[in-house]
Amino acid sequence: EDQVTQSPEALRLQEGESSSLNCSYTVSGLRGLFWYRQDPGKGPEFLFTLYSAGEEKEKERLKATLTKKESFLHITAPKPEDSATYLCAVLHYGQNFVFGPGTRLSVLP
Amino acid sequence: NAGVTQTPKFQVLKTGQSMTLQCAQDMNHEYMSWYRQDPGMGLRLIHYSVGAGITDQGEVPNGYNVSRSTTEDFPLRLLSAAPSQTSVYFCASSSGQSGNTIYFGEGSWLTVV
Repeated sequence: EDQVTQSPEALRLQEGESSSLNCSYTVSGLRGLFWYRQDPGKGPEFLFTLYSAGEEKEKERLKATLTKKESFLHITAPKPEDSATYLCAVLHYGQNFVFGPGTRLSVLP
Repeated sequence: NAGVTQTPKFQVLKTGQSMTLQCAQDMNHEYMSWYRQDPGMGLRLIHYSVGAGITDQGEVPNGYNVSRSTTEDFPLRLLSAAPSQTSVYFCASSSGQSGNTIYFGEGSWLTVV
């Protein structure tokens, strides 16, 4: 069964304390892995798409990486405004997107 | 720059009532979909459409109907609301089913009592 898991479920960081979020997937024929940010009361907002193992994408303090079985979202020197739930989703051949449950990130000043 | 627009934002229904969640997009996207989001379960696909006149079921379709008469609109109908349908509903669209970014609406909070 196609599955996407994320860890940790929740993460609390001090401002400036770097860390990583994990997204593990078990799908065949991956066509893309997507990262989204979701603020409370809002819809998910697109961050990155990764298409093949070894690929990396960066945006401000965020960097996403992809291997054959998982993706990491690295957060460098986070700020309180980075607090949100981060969702990953995979798209594979012949199917729609499968979303993970998300990681709730809190960055304390 | 509207993107994906959902209405209503909040709704309370009584068990057995029916209602329609509206979704419209102004990006001329072929692909539209509805998800529900429940705590700890991520976003789950209810129904999707790859173009006007074409719809199909997702992971959790029971109790919901959709239609796609135009490219812009994709309403979700709850036929006879049940407490298990209490959730947050998101409409999304993209320019293609495979490999393209999907854009989400702001969500509709539904409570069934």
